[in-house]
Amino acid sequence: AQTVTQSQPEMSVQEAETVTLSCTYDTSESDYYLFWYKQPPSRQMILVIRQEAYKQQNATENRFSVNFQKAAKSFSLKISDSQLGDAAMYFCAYRNPVGDMRFGAGTRLTVKP
Amino acid sequence: NAGVTQTPKFQVLKTGQSMTLQCAQDMNHEYMSWYRQDPGMGLRLIHYSVGAGITDQGEVPNGYNVSRSTTEDFPLRLLSAAPSQTSVYFCASSSLGQAPGANVLTFGAGSRLTVL
Repeated sequence: AQTVTQSQPEMSVQEAETVTLSCTYDTSESDYYLFWYKQPPSRQMILVIRQEAYKQQNATENRFSVNFQKAAKSFSLKISDSQLGDAAMYFCAYRNPVGDMRFGAGTRLTVKP
Repeated sequence: NAGVTQTPKFQVLKTGQSMTLQCAQDMNHEYMSWYRQDPGMGLRLIHYSVGAGITDQGEVPNGYNVSRSTTEDFPLRLLSAAPSQTSVYFCASSSLGQAPGANVLTFGAGSRLTVL
């Protein structure tokens, strides 16, 4: 079974600085999808960014970008120019083509003013 | 556009009682799924479905039943609730395939279940 590991239970960043959240996963498949979701205190799950495994180019969405290393099975999230509104739990997720989706345990990000 | 609607938002049960968590989506998504979220463990997949009449087990299916009689609805049934099922439950749906936006889950607001 696929597993997703987030090795940083908590991270802290100064407002306007850059922070990187780590994620590794284990799979024997070549075709899959990777995601980062954000969960603020409201509990709502919000998509931050997605990456298709067949795409070599790293995905970017405004201040959010990923470093996708397929051979190393690594998928880190970089948040640039951190804002107070970025404070939340961040979950890395893996999905295979038939729909089985696994989440990491999450990283709690604190943004200091 | 309602998206994914879960009911109820809160529920308290006694051990051994049964209940159904309702989930409905109005986006014509083929894929629907249920997750539970426990402190320190992220979201764990309970059951999922890739279309009407098709369901499959996820990571933690024991104690839960699902059915998918229509594209829109995917209820989760607890037949005999146990304290270990105290959790926050999320329903989510997505389209499948290679189209832009496919495979991105849209989540419901969550349902907090307490089993005494």
